Amino acid sequence: QQQVKQSPQSLIVQKGGISIINCAYENTAFDYFPWYQQFPGKGPALLIAIRPDVSEKKEGRFTISFNKSAKQFSLHIMDSQPGDSATYFCAASNSGGGSTLGRLYFGRGTQLTVWP
Amino acid sequence: DGGITQSPKYLFRKEGQNVTLSCEQNLNHDAMYWYRQDPGQGLRLIYYSQIVNDFQKGDIAEGYSVSREKKESFPLTVTSAQKNPTAFYLCASSTPRNSYEQYFGPGTRLTVT
Repeated sequence: QQQVKQSPQSLIVQKGGISIINCAYENTAFDYFPWYQQFPGKGPALLIAIRPDVSEKKEGRFTISFNKSAKQFSLHIMDSQPGDSATYFCAASNSGGGSTLGRLYFGRGTQLTVWP
Repeated sequence: DGGITQSPKYLFRKEGQNVTLSCEQNLNHDAMYWYRQDPGQGLRLIYYSQIVNDFQKGDIAEGYSVSREKKESFPLTVTSAQKNPTAFYLCASSTPRNSYEQYFGPGTRLTVT
C-alpha cells in the first residue's frame, strides 16, 4: 500500500512558469515531510522539508504548502528554470524513537521538464 | 570530502548468480539504508540499519541480504532468489535523530540477464 501518493507523474512547464506537485498521506503519525530532487543517474538530494505544525515553508524559489486537516502537501517552484528539470519525490517520515529507527516513505516521483 | 560512495556504478550479472553492492560512508552516520528504484515506482526500502550488527527488513527485503560489521559500510547482496533484480540501487545514511534527512550515494545500476 502506497503510504504517500504523488501527482502528477510528469509535468512540463515553460521557463518562468510555476511548477506544482501534490502529495497526500494517511498516517497522522508522520512528523516530517521532505522533498527530494534527483537528476538523471544521480542519487536524490534533500531539497526542502516541513514539519506538520507549519503551514508553509519557503526557501528561495521553492515553497512547501502543508494542509494538515486535508493531509496534503505540495511543492511549488516559482520562476521555473531549465536547470530545475529533474525528478521530484515527496516523502513522509516517522521519526521512530527509543530503539526504533525512523524511516522515509516516498511518493512515486514527478518528472519535471522545464522548456526554455 | 564527506559523502557516500557506491561501487561499481554499473554491474552486469548472469541470472542465478549472487552479487554484492558496496556502500561506504564517511559522514559518521549511525543509520544506513538501501533502496531500490524502478521507473514509476519511487524509492522502495530494502533494508535499514541503526547500528553496527543490527538491521531491519524494509518493504521489499525478499531476495536480499545485508551485513553491518562496520559503521562505515553496509553492503547489499542480491541473491539468486530475487525474482527481478535488474534495477537502480541507492544507498543512504542519516543520523538516527534526523532520519528524514538522508544523504544518498550515486547509485549502482544492476542488470541481470
